[in-house]
Amino acid sequence: DTTVKQNPRYKLARVGKPVNLICSQTMNHDTMYWYQKKPNQAPKLLLFYYDKILNREADTFEKFQSSRPNNSFCSLYIGSAGLEYSAMYLCASSPGWEQYFGPGTRLTVL
Amino acid sequence: GEQVEQRPPHLSVREGDSAVITCTYTDPNSYYFFWYKQEPGASLQLLMKVFSSTEINEGQGFTVLLNKKDKRLSLNLTAAHPGDSAAYFCAVSPTGNYKYVFGAGTRLKVIA
Repeated sequence: DTTVKQNPRYKLARVGKPVNLICSQTMNHDTMYWYQKKPNQAPKLLLFYYDKILNREADTFEKFQSSRPNNSFCSLYIGSAGLEYSAMYLCASSPGWEQYFGPGTRLTVL
Repeated sequence: GEQVEQRPPHLSVREGDSAVITCTYTDPNSYYFFWYKQEPGASLQLLMKVFSSTEINEGQGFTVLLNKKDKRLSLNLTAAHPGDSAAYFCAVSPTGNYKYVFGAGTRLKVIA
């Protein structure tokens, strides 16, 4: 089973408020990723955990936080949502090179 | 860094026809290549992974070609059917890291 789960599937947030998205996998994969996807654009890597080590992309370094309390769970945290954060957020996990994706959380910021 | 261009952004074909989606990349050291399919409301599903040591890979109803000289990756659906209607994404992983660079996707519609 290569299931990656994401909660919630839909999230409505107000400008300036925090947002916390959750991802889980039970495949004991070492690496977990978070992507942002906007319509008609490629998924954009935000950050990833290799085991307990967090790697954040340079251009989104200050906008997103994450935690991985154990191997199965990974969160994505936005401290103060702006309109530009409205997007689909995809979580993926990987045992090596191939990545397995969750269904995504659609975030709408109003 | 690596850049990936995917064409066409939209593609409409009749059932039974072939459909070809192409990605070009810039980093000659890229070694791992992937195609994903995303049906409406669903997650990205891995269709095929290709390593630069192989040039032709065949799946169920499709063929993936890798041209390392031209830095081009293509997905060829040989006889499309309505169930193939979806968004398709290529992803390229440069050697030495576990990150993907995605193409922007191709929205394929197969008309019965």
